[in-house]
Amino acid sequence: KQEVTQIPAALSVPEGENLVLNCSFTDSAIYNLQWFRQDPGKGLTSLLLIQSSQREQTSGRLNASLDKSSGRSTLYIAASQPGDSATYLCAVRDDYKLSFGAGTTVTVRA
Amino acid sequence: EAQVTQNPRYLITVTGKKLTVTCSQNMNHEYMSWYRQDPGLGLRQIYYSMNVEVTDKGDVPEGYKVSRKEKRNFPLILESPSPNQTSLYFCASSLTVANTGELFFGEGSRLTVL
Repeated sequence: KQEVTQIPAALSVPEGENLVLNCSFTDSAIYNLQWFRQDPGKGLTSLLLIQSSQREQTSGRLNASLDKSSGRSTLYIAASQPGDSATYLCAVRDDYKLSFGAGTTVTVRA
Repeated sequence: EAQVTQNPRYLITVTGKKLTVTCSQNMNHEYMSWYRQDPGLGLRQIYYSMNVEVTDKGDVPEGYKVSRKEKRNFPLILESPSPNQTSLYFCASSLTVANTGELFFGEGSRLTVL
């Protein structure tokens, strides 16, 4: 059974600092890995999707890497802003199931 | 606008009273899925569907039913709700069953069972 872990569970940084969020998974036979953002009481917004054959994906200030062999992905958010405060979830897809990590709650202090 | 729509968004009900949470997508997606989100447990998959009339259990299917009679709709049925089904529910869809597609989520349905 796929286990997805996100460390740390919470993170607080001053505005302008770069954010590094980690995601690890136990079974490397995945189809893809997706990073989501969730605001309190809201749904999940897709940030980046990395296929199993890819090493990284970039969108604006966001960059996500994938090392399938070691079962790890990292989400980098450059020059953080207060609007980046949210919970970030990673999810891995294998077979027809999606397994989620518990998330990292980020607070960016102005 | 491409979207996944869930209804109701909020519901308070009592134990044993059957209810249905609807999910509809307008993107002609083949794959649809239901999740529940609980504090400390994260998101867990309840059921998924690969296409019309094709459904399968996720990790926590007990107490739930689903159907996929049309491509756009994937309702979640609680035949006899219990308090342990109090949760935040999400429906999601993706274009294909090839497992490579981006997953799109609805806004969520917060269910309270008294």
